[in-house]
Formats: sequence, C-alpha cells, structure tokens
Amino acid sequence: KAGVTQTPRYLIKTRGQQVTLSCSPISGHRSVSWYQQTPGQGLQFLFEYFSETQRNKGNFPGRFSGRQFSNSRSEMNVSTLELGDSALYLCASSFRQGASDTQYFGPGTRLTVL
Amino acid sequence: DAKTTQPNSMESNEEEPVHLPCNHSTISGTDYIHWYRQLPSQGPEYVIHGLTSNVNNRMASLAIAEDRKSSTLILHRATLRDAAVYYCILVGNTPLVFGKGTRLSVIA
Repeated sequence: KAGVTQTPRYLIKTRGQQVTLSCSPISGHRSVSWYQQTPGQGLQFLFEYFSETQRNKGNFPGRFSGRQFSNSRSEMNVSTLELGDSALYLCASSFRQGASDTQYFGPGTRLTVL
Repeated sequence: DAKTTQPNSMESNEEEPVHLPCNHSTISGTDYIHWYRQLPSQGPEYVIHGLTSNVNNRMASLAIAEDRKSSTLILHRATLRDAAVYYCILVGNTPLVFGKGTRLSVIA
C-alpha cells in the first residue's frame, strides 16, 4: 500500500506570494492533518480534515487555510507569505479520527520564503 | 492540552536495550499514550501506542505504569537506525500535540 505523498517536496517563494501544498493520503484513509515544523517551535498542529470537513484548527493566522476533496486528498494554502513561514510542512493521514488511530506521516514539503 | 515530560536527550550503545521515559501526570482516563519517532530528514513515524496494558510490537515495547502517570518506551536492541527524536504524546479528542521529544543517540 502506497504511503502518504506530498507535493512538491521543495519550494522556494518570496515574501508576499502565496503557495499551495498537496497531500495524498493512504488509500482508504479519510482523516488528514497538517503540521508545521520549525527548529524554534517544533511540530505544531495546523488543521485536521475528516470527510471534507475541517474538524480541528490550530493556533495559526487566517493566512493558513486548507481543504479536503471527496477523494480525501487535501491541500493547504498559505497566502501573503512571510519569512517566518519557512518550515517543513507535514501531512498525516489516518483511517478515522479516533484516539487509538495511528497517524501516518508523509515526507513533508520544505518551504523556503526569501 | 495534556502535557508530557521527556528528557531532552539520551545516549545508548548499539545492541543494548534503551528505556525512554515519559511522564504524563495529567493524563485523563480516555487518553491513549502514543509514541512516534522522527529520523533525520523524515516525517514522524508511528512506533507504538497503548491505553492501560503493556504493549509489544515488532519495533518496541510500551510499559505503562499502573496509575498511568508515566510510561516507558523500550527498544530491546538499539541499532544505529534507531537514532531519532522520540515523541511521547497523549491522544484524546484533540489533535496530536508534539513536545520537544527525546533525542536518542546510538553509539557504535
């Protein structure tokens, strides 16, 4: 079974631009979560989608948004990029949303904002 | 959010057992204890999880204290590939909240 895939793997943008990152979950998984990882803040939760509905949202500004499609694929968008948005963006999928469910992470998208 | 406390770093010799501790004194009755690890330049990887009883899988064992206020991840024979940051996370009705984790170094 193929793992979680994220595209692109690397991205360089300039301040003020916007970016869209894509995540394809493991087949059959309906829950997709997004995380931001930086050296200073570690791994921080961005949002979670289940069956096309956002179920949880982390403490990030409105410039960060996401969506999930009917095939469970998910995208996240960051508008008006700032230097501090440079980070590794990780996507994780799970079969359900339960506390006992395992999350499977993708390799991440490395975003650099210049 | 429920919090966990882990040592910042630990060191182990190759092929020796490693016991990674985690304190979670504010755990609620429905919180599961999950362990993930992150190898260099990779996304986090699931290791093991449990609720009340000790758990074993091909990667590791999880020992949970009777009062559930602490747990220990046990790697039975550390290899160089086990060098990673290990995260102990309480999972209830909220998303995963990652702490700083424990950076495990394995010495050949």
